[in-house]
Formats: sequence, structure tokens, C-alpha cells
Amino acid sequence: DAGITQSPRHKVTETGTPVTLRCHQTENHRYMYWYRQDPGHGLRLIHYSYGVKDTDKGEVSDGYSVSRSKTEDFLLTLESATSSQTSVYFCAISAPGQGGEQFFGPGTRLTVL
Amino acid sequence: SQKIEQNSEALNIQEGKTATLTCNYTNYSPAYLQWYRQDPGRGPVFLLLIRENEKEKRKERLKVTFDTTLKQSLFHITASQPADSATYLCALDLYSGNTPLVFGKGTRLSVIA
Repeated sequence: DAGITQSPRHKVTETGTPVTLRCHQTENHRYMYWYRQDPGHGLRLIHYSYGVKDTDKGEVSDGYSVSRSKTEDFLLTLESATSSQTSVYFCAISAPGQGGEQFFGPGTRLTVL
Repeated sequence: SQKIEQNSEALNIQEGKTATLTCNYTNYSPAYLQWYRQDPGRGPVFLLLIRENEKEKRKERLKVTFDTTLKQSLFHITASQPADSATYLCALDLYSGNTPLVFGKGTRLSVIA
């Protein structure tokens, strides 16, 4: 795996609680992405970042916020978790000038009860 | 509406045969099309990228074609092996790199010995 870690790898939480997922990279890549993967839907983009403090929304951003204060860290926050946010979350990175191929982290399995 | 579809959810094939997976899209004009492999419990791994002005790309036993008129990409694995069993995802890159990808739902390939 290309220097990307995600924490935690597994989390069970209750509806209404805040949750923060962390993505950490050691590749110094500029672009970072958060996706969720659900059966029947495939991978869908939540938010992405094109630089420190520069972020934008994706297809399924409602209920999620992100922050990027350092190149290496991209945080995804669920302000008040709901059962519909039970999913597997993947972080990805890409580097300029390399055709846009993305490198994915190992994923975080989140269960909201 | 915009759609990206992979021909079947699952494909079974005999070892040694050529596996052919299809990715069709509508109402997109991608600059690049990418293919990824995903094993259970892991993040997707980049395999191949093909540009809109390329017809075919090869890498070892893998071959990808891209027909922008038909709005279709074919992904071939020749001399398939049980180790090729995985889910294969196609993804559209709409803006020539470093932008979020639009993923298909994937085709689960099983190569039977």
C-alpha cells in the first residue's frame, strides 16, 4: 500500500454521536479523497481536497464535513452519526502529472447502531 | 442522466480462458478511463489507465480498449488464473487527472481451476 493509513480500521458507534475518521499519507501528494462503499452503490465520493485548507464536496456530502490542516492528514467527520452512514470508508490520494491514478488506503468499517 | 455500468455483477470463467469485462457509460465525456482491482476487505488497486485518444493499452496479461463512440471500455485478462479472482472496477476521470473519479459498481470475477 502506497503510504496511506486510515484510523480507526473498525468502529461501532451509536446514532447521534460524533465520529472522526483519519487518513494519513506519507507520499506528500496534493490530492486526497474520501469515498464510501456500499453494496449496490459502489464507491461514491464524499469530499475531496486539492491542497491544505482547500476542499470541495462530492456526490454524497450531506452529513459529513472534512478538514485538512496539513498535507499528510485528511479528516472526515460525521457530526451526528446515523444508521445510513454505516459503510466502509476509503481514503485515496493522487499526485499531479501521473494520469490521475488513485492510491487507496485499507478502509475503515463503520457501524452505526 | 449520467450513468456508468459494468455489464454484470459476477462473472465465472475457467482457468486459462480470457475474461472480458465491460464498462459502459452515458452522458459523460471522460478524458481518461481507469481500471482497478479490489480484493475482499481491501482498498482498490490501480491497474491501467487509457486516454480518450488511445484505442488500446496492454500490461502483461491485461488489455484495455476504449471506444468513445460506443462509450465503452473492455477489460481483458488473458490466460486467467485463480489468483485473478477479485472485483474489478472501472472509473471515469472527467478532467484529465487529479479530479475525483466516477466509479462503476464493479464486476466480481471468479476464475475456476
